[in-house]
Amino acid sequence: EPEVTQTPSHQVTQMGQEVILRCVPISNHLYFYWYRQILGQKVEFLVSFYNNEISEKSEIFDDQFSVERPDGSNFTLKIRSTKLEDSAMYFCASRAGGAFGGELFFGEGSRLTVL
Amino acid sequence: GNSVTQMEGPVTLSEEAFLTINCTYTATGYPSLFWYVQYPGEGLQLLLKATKADDKGSNKGFEATYRKETTSFHLEKGSVQVSDSAVYFCALKSNTGNQFYFGTGTSLTVIP
Repeated sequence: EPEVTQTPSHQVTQMGQEVILRCVPISNHLYFYWYRQILGQKVEFLVSFYNNEISEKSEIFDDQFSVERPDGSNFTLKIRSTKLEDSAMYFCASRAGGAFGGELFFGEGSRLTVL
Repeated sequence: GNSVTQMEGPVTLSEEAFLTINCTYTATGYPSLFWYVQYPGEGLQLLLKATKADDKGSNKGFEATYRKETTSFHLEKGSVQVSDSAVYFCALKSNTGNQFYFGTGTSLTVIP
């Protein structure tokens, strides 16, 4: 069964360092997303990406964040200068498309710990 | 705007008890509604969905009916098992945008 894969599963970094989280969405999907989850609870939307550009982003997704689809398979989230409050589980998700239905498929997540 | 309000947890039930987790929504347009489940240490998995009013989504003994008149999508299961212990998220997607909106999650623990 096709799945969304994410790397690394866990990253520890120092405050102020740059971090890149990588995702391989399901191959025929068209829409890509990043969400984050703090303390195993609320799932917060960061950004959605379609047709090689950001389609929506939240207030969390400020200038420190960027996304890229550098080739036909990877979808990356970069945090330019990490802060302590960026510590969270980051989930990549993708969906096939269509205005109705088109559920999200999530990866297993990348846990980011900022010290 | 779009939002999902979900029953506060945590919920603790005995095995074979009846489960209801309430979910109500506000949305522009005609949303699709979803329940996702997150088992400990894992990502979110789709449990069930409904794309229009009066649709009933069902999977693994769980059911939820899309009620437009009450803007609700309550999750139910007649007899829970220990293996159902997880966090459950209600979510919607409006047909006018790409974003999915999630509730705050309800933690369920089923004890033998």
